[in-house]
Order: sequence, then structure tokens, then C-alpha cells
Amino acid sequence: NAGVTQTPKFQVLKTGQSMTLQCAQDMNHEYMSWYRQDPGMGLRLIHYSVGAGITDQGEVPNGYNVSRSTTEDFPLRLLSAAPSQTSVYFCASSPGFPQETQYFGPGTRLLVL
Amino acid sequence: AQKVTQAQTEISVVEKEDVTLDCVYETRDTTYYLFWYKQPPSGELVFLIRRNSFDEQNEISGRYSWNFQKSTSSFNFTITASQVVDSAVYFCALSEPPTGNQFYFGTGTSLTVIP
Repeated sequence: NAGVTQTPKFQVLKTGQSMTLQCAQDMNHEYMSWYRQDPGMGLRLIHYSVGAGITDQGEVPNGYNVSRSTTEDFPLRLLSAAPSQTSVYFCASSPGFPQETQYFGPGTRLLVL
Repeated sequence: AQKVTQAQTEISVVEKEDVTLDCVYETRDTTYYLFWYKQPPSGELVFLIRRNSFDEQNEISGRYSWNFQKSTSSFNFTITASQVVDSAVYFCALSEPPTGNQFYFGTGTSLTVIP
């Protein structure tokens, strides 16, 4: 099993550009989530999904969209990038949240100029 | 209000010393789960332990041990005989099944073990 994979590992955007961060898992987990990690603030939840076709907002959803068309994939879209979205983004999955452990991908480092 | 507080922002110890990382949480639920994750300099998040609110037994795994005390809402993590490889940021997290579908992470404690 590859576990949770994320692409790209690093991305530079200009303000106003859009892009999609990819996340995939091969563990047949129902629950998937996106976090952003900023210095001194820990990890904050952006969006999550409890299964295909079901998504919901987390703590900091503004400026981001998600969709969950399959169990395996959970892409995160930045609609119009802003410097405030410079961060490290982590995708995670778990078999049955919230009791279960979340397993994290390697992260995507995003720089918005 | 912060649901998970890790008051120690940075800690430095000399190799072979013991070190305890503090975690204080806040919840009104009787059923909840607590977690510790390690983030080494390479950046990935590594799961260390999960504890449910009904199990207050302390747990030991090699040089790692965890002290869960509901009376003080704390879930502290101790590394015995620290090693340079223990240098990382450690995060404590809380989940509350009855009321929500998300983890609440603390802000992390950066541990540096000096050789």
C-alpha cells in the first residue's frame, strides 16, 4: 500500500492563480481531510469528507473548494490564490473517523507570491 | 478557546536526559480520544498513540510513555533517555465523536535533543 499520497510536493503560485492539490489513498478509508500548517498555529482543518459525495467545512474553509467523487481521491482547489494561503498542506485519511487514527500524507508546500 | 494546549513551545535537552511534553485539553464530552503525533525535520506526520477517555491506564512503548489524567485534563508524553533522533515537533490532538467530525490539534512542542 502506498498509503496517502499528495502531489505536488512543492508549488509556487502567483496571486490570483488557481490550482488543485491532489490527494489519494489506497486504504479504502471513508474519512479524508485537508489541513494547513502554519508556524505557531499547529494544524487547522480546511475541509473534510466522511465518504464519497459528502464533504463539509472545517475551521478555515474560505478560499478552498473540495469534492469527493471517489473513495480514493480528495482534491483541494484554491480558487484564487492569495499570499495568506502560503502554507504546508496535509491530507489525511482514516477508516472510521473520529474514533480512528488519521494517517497523513507527506504534505504539499505552497508559496503564493 | 483553544481545545488543546501545548504550553511548551520549544524544549532543548541533552542526549540521555528524560523529557516530558505537556498536553492539556478541554472538552465537555465524556467520550473522546486523544492522540500524539511526531513531525520530524523531514516534515511528515507520524502517529504515535491513541487513547480513549475510558482508559486511564498509562502506556509505555520502549522509551516513550504517556500519562493520561482525566482529573487534570492532561495527556502528557515522556521520552526517557532522549536521543538525537527524537528531535522533532510533537503534536497533541483531541477528537470528540459525539459532537464533531474533526481533530483539534495543539500548536506543537519543538524538541531539540543536543548530542
